[in-house]
Amino acid sequence: EAQVTQNPRYLITVTGKKLTVTCSQNMNHEYMSWYRQDPGLGLRQIYYSMNVEVTDKGDVPEGYKVSRKEKRNFPLILESPSPNQTSLYFCASSGGDIPTYNEQFFGPGTRLTVL
Amino acid sequence: TQLLEQSPQFLSIQEGENLTVYCNSSSVFSSLQWYRQEPGEGPVLLVTVVTGGEVKKLKRLTFQFGDARKDSSLHITAAQPGDTGLYLCAGAVVSYGKLTFGQGTILTVHP
Repeated sequence: EAQVTQNPRYLITVTGKKLTVTCSQNMNHEYMSWYRQDPGLGLRQIYYSMNVEVTDKGDVPEGYKVSRKEKRNFPLILESPSPNQTSLYFCASSGGDIPTYNEQFFGPGTRLTVL
Repeated sequence: TQLLEQSPQFLSIQEGENLTVYCNSSSVFSSLQWYRQEPGEGPVLLVTVVTGGEVKKLKRLTFQFGDARKDSSLHITAAQPGDTGLYLCAGAVVSYGKLTFGQGTILTVHP
């Protein structure tokens, strides 16, 4: 089954404790991206990657890091989480053999709470 | 930063009514997408529009891309309770570059 998986699905942590949210896709997609979703603000892009070893900032990259060492994985790293990073996070991918217009295939989401 | 203004933010209607959701920007987009999201799940793609003036239909849903590729609309005919959800538009200025989402429209269709 074609899918994007994220782990963990739920996470409660404390300020300053480094964490990583993993994202993996099995569709051989070149493009992967991270978003955060907050009420009234829609989805805001954090980082995206057009291929292995290529990453670019989205609209809200501050406080986040990403890496793309393998095509299928795109982890999101919060080195020192703060309460304003409490949010619902989505990983997405697009691409593959059929040309597309960057239509995003989303994971199930990770709800993060930073105390 | 490209901005996409989506309206209305909330829409509560009765089953059988028609509705339109708008997505506007001052930027020109190479493509514009519409997604639907249900609680506890990630957004799911409904349609992509690429050509200025393009109209696409998906059963009772009609999507239109403005002639100047700066705006789009989603029209639902005879809404049903199953249409309830969050509708999001998203635009890309450059294919496979940064993707900008609108704030979303929460649609509730009452039986």
